[in-house]
Amino acid sequence: DQQVKQNSPSLSVQEGRISILNCDYTNSMFDYFLWYKKYPAEGPTFLISISSIKDKNEDGRFTVFLNKSAKHLSLHIVPSQPGDSAVYFCAASTPGTYKYIFGTGTRLKVLA
Amino acid sequence: SQTIHQWPATLVQPVGSPLSLECTVEGTSNPNLYWYRQAAGRGLQLLFYSVGIGQISSEVPQNLSASRPQDRQFILSSKKLLLSDSGFYLCAWSKGGGFNEQFFGPGTRLTVL
Repeated sequence: DQQVKQNSPSLSVQEGRISILNCDYTNSMFDYFLWYKKYPAEGPTFLISISSIKDKNEDGRFTVFLNKSAKHLSLHIVPSQPGDSAVYFCAASTPGTYKYIFGTGTRLKVLA
Repeated sequence: SQTIHQWPATLVQPVGSPLSLECTVEGTSNPNLYWYRQAAGRGLQLLFYSVGIGQISSEVPQNLSASRPQDRQFILSSKKLLLSDSGFYLCAWSKGGGFNEQFFGPGTRLTVL
């Protein structure tokens, strides 16, 4: 039972354009969502988070949008840069569980 | 600042041999600790997590076990490795309480032959 889904395994975007990575979830109890970036053979690095009381959070080139009614969140990267090429994971948690459920990841390739 | 260490970085072990992977965190106290596995082409699967010394929660029944002998030390073990145990193992920590992001270590690449 995959509670957090990233249905696009890969995405290619031209440098300077917008990258939109999507994530869907099934558990309505999730109240905190995170995005991570992972390079090969390294641990994931935290990018940005959003709590369920918000619908948008921005940090520089990265913006996360949350649509609770659709159980959908997305990560926007503007403008995309070649260094953004990596695998992106979304993750979700429920209150008091101390654990995070990760999606299967989307491989982003930014073309120069 | 906080840092997380994992070792070894890579490991090649024969089927049936034991395993011990170690993770330590510096610069924080009473962290929540986590072990994940990323199999080839797969997402991050939570294996174990711990909210305190000696407290271990297992997420997936398997051939592995975890222990937390000290506040900032988390160990992943197996008595007899299987081929299916191959993968990229990641340790992570987060501050206690809610709404806290996790910080990951550099990972260990385990190959079981």
